[in-house]
Amino acid sequence: SQTIHQWPATLVQPVGSPLSLECTVEGTSNPNLYWYRQAAGRGLQLLFYSVGIGQISSEVPQNLSASRPQDRQFILSSKKLLLSDSGFYLCAWSAIQGSGNTIYFGEGSWLTVV
Amino acid sequence: GENVEQHPSTLSVQEGDSAVIKCTYSDSASNYFPWYKQELGKGPQLIIDIRSNVGEKKDQRIAVTLNKTAKHFSLHITETQPEDSAVYFCAASKVSGGYNKLIFGAGTRLAVHP
Repeated sequence: SQTIHQWPATLVQPVGSPLSLECTVEGTSNPNLYWYRQAAGRGLQLLFYSVGIGQISSEVPQNLSASRPQDRQFILSSKKLLLSDSGFYLCAWSAIQGSGNTIYFGEGSWLTVV
Repeated sequence: GENVEQHPSTLSVQEGDSAVIKCTYSDSASNYFPWYKQELGKGPQLIIDIRSNVGEKKDQRIAVTLNKTAKHFSLHITETQPEDSAVYFCAASKVSGGYNKLIFGAGTRLAVHP
């Protein structure tokens, strides 16, 4: 069966420091991968998606970037964090074939920028 | 632009009562409608979904209905239990640019009181 792992689960970072969140998917090949952000008590905002290695698309302009160095690895990064980057970050995946395929979420990473 | 509206934002019921959450979507090309349950500090978990060629789907105490003409879909939970307390998100989806573009509602916080 497919599983998705995301880490770290929580982190507190000072303003201006770098960020790296990592996500891996097991049990499937060539998945679509996604990074979402959820502000406290709010809905989910799509940040990035990837349909293949090295292929990254951004939904919103921001202080963050994403990379996909391997088929089942997705990384969210920042060179210099802002206070507004605080939130709950969720990695997700879906199968690449067909339409309307289910998106499965990881357990999330809580980021607090201080 | 694409939009999903979800109501109510909060819902409080007594254990054993039914709960109904409603969503409307704007993009008539949407063809897949999942519902997610998110417990505090965790990633959203898929609880039920429906595709545009189906009007109703049921899984034990949970059912979803879809009215394509009106662009409405609803989640129905019967015989609610305290463990149903969580935030519920609806979403509307279509395949766009090779990936599954999921637009989320803002969420409904459901509280089931014993």
